Amino acid sequence: GQNIDQPTEMTATEGAIVQINCTYQTSGFNGLFWYQQHAAEAPTFLSYNVLDGLEEKGRFSSFLSRSKGYSYLLLKELQMKDSASYLCAVREGSGGGNKLTFGTGTQLKVEL
Amino acid sequence: NAGVTQTPKFQVLKTGQSMTLQCAQDMNHEYMSWYRQDPGMGLRLIHYSVGAGITDQGEVPNGYNVSRSTTEDFPLRLLSAAPSQTSVYFCASSRRNSGANVLTFGAGSRLTVL
Repeated sequence: GQNIDQPTEMTATEGAIVQINCTYQTSGFNGLFWYQQHAAEAPTFLSYNVLDGLEEKGRFSSFLSRSKGYSYLLLKELQMKDSASYLCAVREGSGGGNKLTFGTGTQLKVEL
Repeated sequence: NAGVTQTPKFQVLKTGQSMTLQCAQDMNHEYMSWYRQDPGMGLRLIHYSVGAGITDQGEVPNGYNVSRSTTEDFPLRLLSAAPSQTSVYFCASSRRNSGANVLTFGAGSRLTVL
């Protein structure tokens, strides 16, 4: 099984930078995903990491350390529309297709 | 492309009633799955399928049935609804193989069981 931990809530200021952490425990790591979910909407894909290091995509970056079971999502130049829940998800093994286990999500509030 | 289509968007049931949540995708994805999302619990996997004719249980399968007769469709059946099944249900699909295969989610179906 897997255990995924991320903070429940965070607050940040428009224009600032925020880092959302995720720690996980798994027996057969095969990739980590970050999703964004606005209230009453479906999750949408943000980033994917399978090797150690930083993946950058515009204002969003994601980092992975497999030895530490640790990832973070970095959001730069925060905008009001970034207020949402951010979900960390881990894929374990390869025999189960694309079966992801999700953390409970971090609710980010961006303030003026 | 419509992507992943779920119906209905909202449903109210009485305890003991049965119903089917429909999920269809037009992306020729081999992998399809159902999650439920509850406050403070995150998304939990109910059932999944790696191809037509193949289904398997996820983390919380009790009270739900699935079938996969075609690549496109993956309905979720509630056999005898219980208040504990009040939740938002998401269907998601992707290519089967590992790698950066992104799960694409439907818009969700909000179910209330009285």
